[in-house]
Amino acid sequence: TQLLEQSPQFLSIQEGENLTVYCNSSSVFSSLQWYRQEPGEGPVLLVTVVTGGEVKKLKRLTFQFGDARKDSSLHITAAQPGDTGLYLCAGVEANQGNLIFGKGTKLSVKP
Amino acid sequence: GAVVSQHPSWVICKSGTSVKIECRSLDFQATTMFWYRQFPKQSLMLMATSNEGSKATYEQGVEKDKFLINHASLTLSTLTVTSAHPEDSSFYICSAEVRGQGIYGYTFGSGTRLTVV
Repeated sequence: TQLLEQSPQFLSIQEGENLTVYCNSSSVFSSLQWYRQEPGEGPVLLVTVVTGGEVKKLKRLTFQFGDARKDSSLHITAAQPGDTGLYLCAGVEANQGNLIFGKGTKLSVKP
Repeated sequence: GAVVSQHPSWVICKSGTSVKIECRSLDFQATTMFWYRQFPKQSLMLMATSNEGSKATYEQGVEKDKFLINHASLTLSTLTVTSAHPEDSSFYICSAEVRGQGIYGYTFGSGTRLTVV
């Protein structure tokens, strides 16, 4: 059973377009993180959200944690080819210690 | 700060041999290290959690006698794939939890691409 559903799985867009990636679960998370992974590299942490309803911005990236701490979204404004990569959401279940990963969203931004 | 150094980056080995992968926390102490396996175009699957000075905890379906994990110090954890077979070919990644200095998350090694021929 996939505890963290991430969508879409693949996304190919043109430079300058906006996009949103979603992570949903029936579980409550004490925190949720977003990572970006390049081919042949380990994931790199982008942001951690811990409070329900929290919104964090990282340049053109906006991260939101759902009020109930069961879902999160990543919105990229005016995507650039440099944004191309695999985006992974990962959550730490409340009262648990393991980090659970979504299946990832492979983003391709064409110039 | 909070860097995990993973070696080797890639390794090719013959079927039946063993391969050791090392992960070192360079500027912090990692009491717990997590080991993941990632197949092409798939997400990370947790294999085991290693704790310094104690036995590792393996996820269901992961053979502990095949994937030997040692966490002898607060800065070093190793994963040894014993008697490797082609189906063990994968991308293996370690990570450690980081808290402090405004950071809360997990820092990952750069991964090891294992190819068993």
